[in-house]
Amino acid sequence: AQSVSQHNHHVILSEAASLELGCNYSYGGTVNLFWYVQYPGQHLQLLLKYFSGDPLVKGIKGFEAEFIKSKFSFNLRKPSVQWSDTAEYFCAVNPSGGGFKTIFGAGTRLFVKA
Amino acid sequence: DAMVIQNPRYQVTQFGKPVTLSCSQTLNHNVMYWYQQKSSQAPKLLFHYYDKDFNNEADTPDNFQSRRPNTSFCFLDIRSPGLGDAAMYLCATSSGAGGRRTGYEQFFGPGTRLTVL
Repeated sequence: AQSVSQHNHHVILSEAASLELGCNYSYGGTVNLFWYVQYPGQHLQLLLKYFSGDPLVKGIKGFEAEFIKSKFSFNLRKPSVQWSDTAEYFCAVNPSGGGFKTIFGAGTRLFVKA
Repeated sequence: DAMVIQNPRYQVTQFGKPVTLSCSQTLNHNVMYWYQQKSSQAPKLLFHYYDKDFNNEADTPDNFQSRRPNTSFCFLDIRSPGLGDAAMYLCATSSGAGGRRTGYEQFFGPGTRLTVL
């Protein structure tokens, strides 16, 4: 079955530390890839997305993600986190040919200490 | 602002008592989704509509039904809630148009937290 794995369920960082959240998926074909973020008390919203082209995509608030096809990975990065980045981050995959179905990972809760 | 609205935000029901959750959108999107999310788990797609075309996930229990009377509204009906149905229910939309680049990004509502007593 298709699945999305996020390696860390909880991450605690100090402000200005670098962030990398891992995401791997199990699907052999072409995929559309997403990172969604949920800030405390808010709804899920899109952080960034990849469809094709440059495998390094940039999103809002200084986040970026790199698609490595050979590793079935789409890791999220930020060079220097801020307290306001405290949130839950979800990786999601839409297999091409799968219609509108999107499969989510279980999420990573990030806490940034001020 | 265009948005996805879910009502109620919190719903308490009794074991076996039918409950309906509602979702409305002002985005005029073709696609509407319902997800179930339990604590520390991934949002799990229950079903989605593309316009009036209903798509049920194979593992969605028969206890869960959905209605979409028009573009703006979509309802989730749980016919006989069990304790295992307690969860956050998320509604989302996507435009469905413009191909992969724009059509698949999802816009979420705040969710309805369902408690089953």
